[in-house]
Amino acid sequence: DAKTTQPNSMESNEEEPVHLPCNHSTISGTDYIHWYRQLPSQGPEYVIHGLTSNVNNRMASLAIAEDRKSSTLILHRATLRDAAVYYCILRGPGGANSKLTFGKGITLSVRP
Amino acid sequence: GAGVSQSPRYKVAKRGQDVALRCDPISGHVSLFWYQQALGQGPEFLTYFQNEAQLDKSGLPSDRFFAERPEGSVSTLKIQRTQQEDSAVYLCASSLYRTSGYNEQFFGPGTRLTVL
Repeated sequence: DAKTTQPNSMESNEEEPVHLPCNHSTISGTDYIHWYRQLPSQGPEYVIHGLTSNVNNRMASLAIAEDRKSSTLILHRATLRDAAVYYCILRGPGGANSKLTFGKGITLSVRP
Repeated sequence: GAGVSQSPRYKVAKRGQDVALRCDPISGHVSLFWYQQALGQGPEFLTYFQNEAQLDKSGLPSDRFFAERPEGSVSTLKIQRTQQEDSAVYLCASSLYRTSGYNEQFFGPGTRLTVL
């Protein structure tokens, strides 16, 4: 799987938008971009995924650069509960049943 | 509905002891994964089951690590002669089997193993 690069940490204020960046310059044309997050003392949970177009769901939005070499996870209004480690992961199309390859992720802190 | 459950949630072992960690996946989930997460790191893949078949065990760090899923549901990860470097959180994840497209993995809360 191609590698992703994320900043180590980011801080945000409660109820403000948060933009979490991810670089994946070696992404292949068929790799999906996934985001999982891990709340303290819990297992990771799925957030969102996309291929080329921007995606929205109830948790977040995913903005994908036109060249697909970077993407941004957007939390529209951060809450204290959003404080977590966020992982950006690439996965090939044939990887529906394959392992997830996590990096270190980005630690998001939310100030009240 | 019930999610993935793991037991025990915490385990303290003396160096050299054998331990067994249990995972109950979501009912009907064919795929089951084990991951190891060291402090401050992201989870790392250990092994993968499709039903009762262990299709990938490339991530198991040594022959002291053994996993099984004999009836295609509950899985056990066994570590023999534990060492201090085995101290970590062990995560189990399950998913449906899909031939293509997206397939979300559902994670349990993990078992925190501390080897003294």
